[in-house]
Amino acid sequence: DAMVIQNPRYQVTQFGKPVTLSCSQTLNHNVMYWYQQKSSQAPKLLFHYYDKDFNNEADTPDNFQSRRPNTSFCFLDIRSPGLGDAAMYLCATSREEGWEQYFGPGTRLTVT
Amino acid sequence: KNEVEQSPQNLTAQEGEFITINCSYSVGISALHWLQQHPGGGIVSLFMLSSGKKKHGRLIATINIQEKHSSLHITASHPRDSAVYICAVGRGSNYKLTFGKGTLLTVNP
Repeated sequence: DAMVIQNPRYQVTQFGKPVTLSCSQTLNHNVMYWYQQKSSQAPKLLFHYYDKDFNNEADTPDNFQSRRPNTSFCFLDIRSPGLGDAAMYLCATSREEGWEQYFGPGTRLTVT
Repeated sequence: KNEVEQSPQNLTAQEGEFITINCSYSVGISALHWLQQHPGGGIVSLFMLSSGKKKHGRLIATINIQEKHSSLHITASHPRDSAVYICAVGRGSNYKLTFGKGTLLTVNP
């Protein structure tokens, strides 16, 4: 059974048109992460939540926002996607910081 | 120089061969992760280890904390093992993961 679910798996959006990616988890983990992975590159951490505490990486562009309305769900909002934001977006969870991370299947974002 | 270095970058093997992928890191860590990513797909966590050795099926991971080095071994490799294998280290109070660039493994039948 899927434990970290990401929707949609593939998302196409237009340049400048806001888009929201969704992640949900059935593990009841405290920590949720959003990573950006561009082609042939390593994943790059954008943010993470410990419960409702939001942690933003210093180099995450302001164009990216995140919401965690409850334990199970976390959203990544891209306010004005540019061509450079096309990437695979990976959600991960862990019970606590420093514990094993469980990754979702990712959402591949295309910006036209 | 990257904090996490993997070798080789690309590896091609014949089905049945024993595979070794290496990871070296230059910082103090809490734990090291080995991850698998199939082309165009999401990431699967294979191992998380902070000392010694772990085994799961045909996969074995070892770590030497003093030498700051870890290896991932695949015994009796199979074409379905073809994927990118990523080494990542976790450290810091918020346990941020730092990823290596990955090793692309292709196992031919």
